[in-house]
Amino acid sequence: RKEVEQDPGPFNVPEGATVAFNCTYSNSASQSFFWYRQDCRKEPKLLMSVYSSGNEDGRFTAQLNRASQYISLLIRDSKLSDSATYLCVVADNTDKLIFGTGTRLQVFP
Amino acid sequence: DGGITQSPKYLFRKEGQNVTLSCEQNLNHDAMYWYRQDPGQGLRLIYYSQIVNDFQKGDIAEGYSVSREKKESFPLTVTSAQKNPTAFYLCASSSPRQGAGTEAFFGQGTRLTVV
Repeated sequence: RKEVEQDPGPFNVPEGATVAFNCTYSNSASQSFFWYRQDCRKEPKLLMSVYSSGNEDGRFTAQLNRASQYISLLIRDSKLSDSATYLCVVADNTDKLIFGTGTRLQVFP
Repeated sequence: DGGITQSPKYLFRKEGQNVTLSCEQNLNHDAMYWYRQDPGQGLRLIYYSQIVNDFQKGDIAEGYSVSREKKESFPLTVTSAQKNPTAFYLCASSSPRQGAGTEAFFGQGTRLTVV
């Protein structure tokens, strides 16, 4: 079983749609969780950290479920500019960062 | 400005040659990482270092070597033993932040092509 698993997609959605991505992790000792965004042929950039209480940043909402060992990212009112690959990242108790393979999102007009 | 710098951006290597990719950070981060990304694939961990003069193998360390003589530098050598080195190489650094975890910052990457 992979340490961090994501549905690779692609998710093809129209502008204005709501889309949700899930990610599962295998190490119950994992301490920190993040969503990164990666545009084509670019480096990943932090989208948002994920906290136990859940957190929201504009159209983006991230949630963590420690009991089930999954994290989620919800994007509301999708924009064309949201098209990218979204990477789930988990840091274990030694702060080693493990990346999921990413979920590709394509928003169309 | 603080950041993490990789060089070169593009690198061409002949088969059988060793090449070294540079990664420098001035963020005072303790941890540094090297990842490899193939087209349409996710990031795979090659090596990581959490402190100077110490580093650990990641999932795909064969054919690669690293050193961590200085906190700000973590060069990666792609040796001739790496059978399929053509890929996008990403370096990252991080430092645990109290209450917020270990956010990582990435360099812009090096595209290595074997010719």
